[in-house]
Amino acid sequence: AQSVTQLGSHVSVSEGALVLLRCNYSSSVPPYLFWYVQYPNQGLQLLLKYTTGATLVKGINGFEAEFKKSETSFHLTKPSAHMSDAAEYFCAVSDATYKYIFGTGTRLKVLA
Amino acid sequence: DAGVIQSPRHEVTEMGQEVTLRCKPISGHNSLFWYRQTMMRGLELLIYFNNNVPIDDSGMPEDRFSAKMPNASFSTLKIQPSEPRDSAVYFCASRPAGTDTQYFGPGTRLTVL
Repeated sequence: AQSVTQLGSHVSVSEGALVLLRCNYSSSVPPYLFWYVQYPNQGLQLLLKYTTGATLVKGINGFEAEFKKSETSFHLTKPSAHMSDAAEYFCAVSDATYKYIFGTGTRLKVLA
Repeated sequence: DAGVIQSPRHEVTEMGQEVTLRCKPISGHNSLFWYRQTMMRGLELLIYFNNNVPIDDSGMPEDRFSAKMPNASFSTLKIQPSEPRDSAVYFCASRPAGTDTQYFGPGTRLTVL
């Protein structure tokens, strides 16, 4: 069985500060890992994904994530937060079939 | 690209009424997913279609819920009769063959009074 844990349902950062959103997963098979972003009243948009290969993955809007097998983690980072990054972020794990298991989400607030 | 299209975007109905949500996947995608998002339960997969055939409906809450995909460009999710606990945002997503990325529609916000 697979599962995802996102630590911190709400994270606040100052504009220009580092963004770190945490995601830990559990999977009995090599996982596929995803980060999605949801802006208010919109659907989910793919930020980045890890399937195989390089463990540091770069996505859109300056975000990146690193797959760390030993820590079963896939944390999302951005060096400098922008007001437009305020949104809800979801981590998801898949076993390379059709099924995504989503985390409960982390709402990011960016302070001016 | 038009993206995944869902209608209506908002639906308010009274308990006991039938509700039909509609989805048009991205052209050429062969997989379609219906999700429900609530504060309490987060994002839950309701049903998955592949090439218009339902493959996994284990997430459908009960017999009041039904989904169809009569062709590659249209799917419906029906709730009959609706109940207040069905209030949620319902998302449709599609995926092209041979990939692992799902593309989500904007969602339908359903309120059952």
